[in-house]
Amino acid sequence: SQQGEEDPQALSIQEGENATMNCSYKTSINNLQWYRQNSGRGLVHLILIRSNEREKHSGRLRVTLDTSKKSSSLLITASRAADTASYFCATGGGATNKLIFGTGTLLAVQP
Amino acid sequence: DGGITQSPKYLFRKEGQNVTLSCEQNLNHDAMYWYRQDPGQGLRLIYYSQIVNDFQKGDIAEGYSVSREKKESFPLTVTSAQKNPTAFYLCASRLQGDTGELFFGEGSRLTVL
Repeated sequence: SQQGEEDPQALSIQEGENATMNCSYKTSINNLQWYRQNSGRGLVHLILIRSNEREKHSGRLRVTLDTSKKSSSLLITASRAADTASYFCATGGGATNKLIFGTGTLLAVQP
Repeated sequence: DGGITQSPKYLFRKEGQNVTLSCEQNLNHDAMYWYRQDPGQGLRLIYYSQIVNDFQKGDIAEGYSVSREKKESFPLTVTSAQKNPTAFYLCASRLQGDTGELFFGEGSRLTVL
């Protein structure tokens, strides 16, 4: 089963604009992670936010987490053509040590 | 350099054949995972292992088998019982524990002819 649902499914913006994608999940979590996947490649970890955190920054990335709404958002500021990729949220927690991935947002940044 | 190596990158098989996908890591990670990705979709968990000689089914284990005889290796066999095996397969690992990022291999693309 897929825990997370990303929104929108696809997003097209111009270089320099900000990109925001959202993730909703269903059950309680210990942490939420965001990953990036270039076409045909493996996933790369971007950022992790714990359930007791509300906001986290890393470079041009800003992640928020609202556990009451079971949702998270990823903001990429001043986007570049190289940011073109699919972005996935993943929720983790519990004794099984599993990460459950969402359906992903395909971001296209036009030069 | 430390990392996860998946092989082969591309694999073609005829219906009715079993194939084995290799996944090797030199990160000294305890936990290893196999995910399946279909076009335009997210990742679905096939099997995972938290320790040598032990593994658990994920959400879509039917038609697949794994082994974990060594800490570094977690091969996945796609059997002929898997009805729709054409997909992109991703192996990942991480340190044991509740939090922490997953490290992924570059994937293996299996096509059934």
